[in-house]
Amino acid sequence: DAMVIQNPRYQVTQFGKPVTLSCSQTLNHNVMYWYQQKSSQAPKLLFHYYDKDFNNEADTPDNFQSRRPNTSFCFLDIRSPGLGDAAMYLCATSRVEAGGAFFGQGTRLTVV
Amino acid sequence: RKEVEQDPGPFNVPEGATVAFNCTYSNSASQSFFWYRQDCRKEPKLLMSVYSSGNEDGRFTAQLNRASQYISLLIRDSKLSDSATYLCAVTANPPGAGKSTFGDGTTLTVKP
Repeated sequence: DAMVIQNPRYQVTQFGKPVTLSCSQTLNHNVMYWYQQKSSQAPKLLFHYYDKDFNNEADTPDNFQSRRPNTSFCFLDIRSPGLGDAAMYLCATSRVEAGGAFFGQGTRLTVV
Repeated sequence: RKEVEQDPGPFNVPEGATVAFNCTYSNSASQSFFWYRQDCRKEPKLLMSVYSSGNEDGRFTAQLNRASQYISLLIRDSKLSDSATYLCAVTANPPGAGKSTFGDGTTLTVKP
């Protein structure tokens, strides 16, 4: 089945230790998004790609970086995780920029 | 004021009830509207797009009121399996193309 796959599902990292979350898609969608979601809050857009064009949200901390080496894969790098970065990280895709999004199962990040 | 606002609920209804949620948005340039369903500790799943003419999918009906800047979701004949958090999402035209802003969600519990 075509889908959005995130790895790992659960990630525990130490305070300040770089961590990378990955996302792959078989939907062949042009747009890929990274969202951060904390408990009982809305998913918060960190950045998105339209093909190779990168769009960073103004309030996304510099601590967060992203790479999209090809259509299928996208990575979220957190350079120095803080306790406040503990959250669910959701990758999503859409066929067009204003289309409905299809989410991966998320990576739940714990910072210790 | 948040860009997208939802009544957090919780809405507790008996099986078979009809329940409606509203979602207001502040950006009058918004062009695309969606409802998502999110189960506890899972990813959001696209429920339906919302069109100006309204749309219906089985027991679910979505409406858009551009003049008053809100969208609504009506669920008829509620089932136990409808218990979830319902998120609305709004996407603006350029500038900001591709940026979906989510509400915090409305929690629905359907009871026997």
